[in-house]
Amino acid sequence: GAGVSQSPSNKVTEKGKDVELRCDPISGHTALYWYRQSLGQGLEFLIYFQGNSAPDKSGLPSDRFSAERTGESVSTLTIQRTQQEDSAVYLCASSPGVLTEAFFGQGTRLTVV
Amino acid sequence: AQSVTQLGSHVSVSEGALVLLRCNYSSSVPPYLFWYVQYPNQGLQLLLKYTSAATLVKGINGFEAEFKKSETSFHLTKPSAHMSDAAEYFCAVSEPGGSARQLTFGSGTQLTVLP
Repeated sequence: GAGVSQSPSNKVTEKGKDVELRCDPISGHTALYWYRQSLGQGLEFLIYFQGNSAPDKSGLPSDRFSAERTGESVSTLTIQRTQQEDSAVYLCASSPGVLTEAFFGQGTRLTVV
Repeated sequence: AQSVTQLGSHVSVSEGALVLLRCNYSSSVPPYLFWYVQYPNQGLQLLLKYTSAATLVKGINGFEAEFKKSETSFHLTKPSAHMSDAAEYFCAVSEPGGSARQLTFGSGTQLTVLP
């Protein structure tokens, strides 16, 4: 597609449920990032994929968070046993390579009730 | 390790006035620097980037930023604010060749433009 696509755009879930967020990067982009943006906060780095290298998971806040990426295509961010503090906008970005600018999707707004 | 500090979480200017949004960074190597803008309910859009070429970088919508190594700064400016500039602005840094492979963002500055 023309840009980074994220789905769903909005997700409301009950506390304790698992959720999956999807990101379709721009075709050909080798790098993919997930960030979390809480209300009134900056962007918190979660995880980074670059090609076939091992992902940089250093930003994942707990073991309830995980992410996968198949090759250089779709990525899914999974949050298990959601908590209210997980409520935030989850932003995905892709870039053509390391250290070039990142192109962001519109985000998924997650609300845990 | 790299980090970014944006001074002022909220900045208000009058329409037509100078916009100055401050960004200071720390990096163990000469960094790459970026400014992004986020309009309400949208993702982030790149305004401009510095990647070790010219120190004065011009971006979209009349914005520019100057890389000052001695001050470890990359402040964003626009000579004359427009109502449509109201948004949140994020400064970001990455380290070429370093172990840090992710973009590190500042906490953002909300720009309000007053009529």
